Amino acid sequence: QKEVEQNSGPLSVPEGAIASLNCTYSDRGSQSFFWYRQYSGKSPELIMSIYSNGDKEDGRFTAQLNKASQYVSLLIRDSQPSDSATYLCAVNESSNTGKLIFGQGTTLQVKP
Amino acid sequence: DADVTQTPRNRITKTGKRIMLECSQTKGHDRMYWYRQDPGLGLRLIYYSFDVKDINKGEISDGYSVSRQAQAKFSLSLESAIPNQTALYFCATSDSRTGNTEAFFGQGTRLTVV
Repeated sequence: QKEVEQNSGPLSVPEGAIASLNCTYSDRGSQSFFWYRQYSGKSPELIMSIYSNGDKEDGRFTAQLNKASQYVSLLIRDSQPSDSATYLCAVNESSNTGKLIFGQGTTLQVKP
Repeated sequence: DADVTQTPRNRITKTGKRIMLECSQTKGHDRMYWYRQDPGLGLRLIYYSFDVKDINKGEISDGYSVSRQAQAKFSLSLESAIPNQTALYFCATSDSRTGNTEAFFGQGTRLTVV
């Protein structure tokens, strides 16, 4: 059973701080990694994708990938109350089935 | 207008009833998916389709069926609804031509079976 693991939280950070969200995956052959943001009762929204080892920055968001450790993370700099949401980590299956495996999500609370 | 549209957005139905959830997309993507979301369990794949003639079961297909009527339309049916099928259902699409598997989601359907 291929798995994606996330700490469910909640992770609470003060406004302006860096929020660090982590994810591990079991399928060593996975090549594509995604972070989705989901507000309560809403649909998941893609915010970051990463395909190679290292860091990828987009505005206040940085995704980090370490395939050797099977670990992917999302850093949110200068956290805002509007960043309060559940963040879902998703990983593609290595067999190129076109399927994504999702973690259970980490709830982030940014306190003013 | 949303690129991936789900109807209905909310539905309450009785145990034993047949219900269909519909999904249509204007993104031109070939791949479509149905997910179910329950609190604390994340998103679980019910069925997926890579084109009109290619339909596959996901991890939790029991009690569900699907139909891919056209490249842009993918519907999910509950033949005889039961209370533990109460959940938030999402349709998603992806484009195999990109070589990636990033998925784009519809607004969701909140289904309650009483």
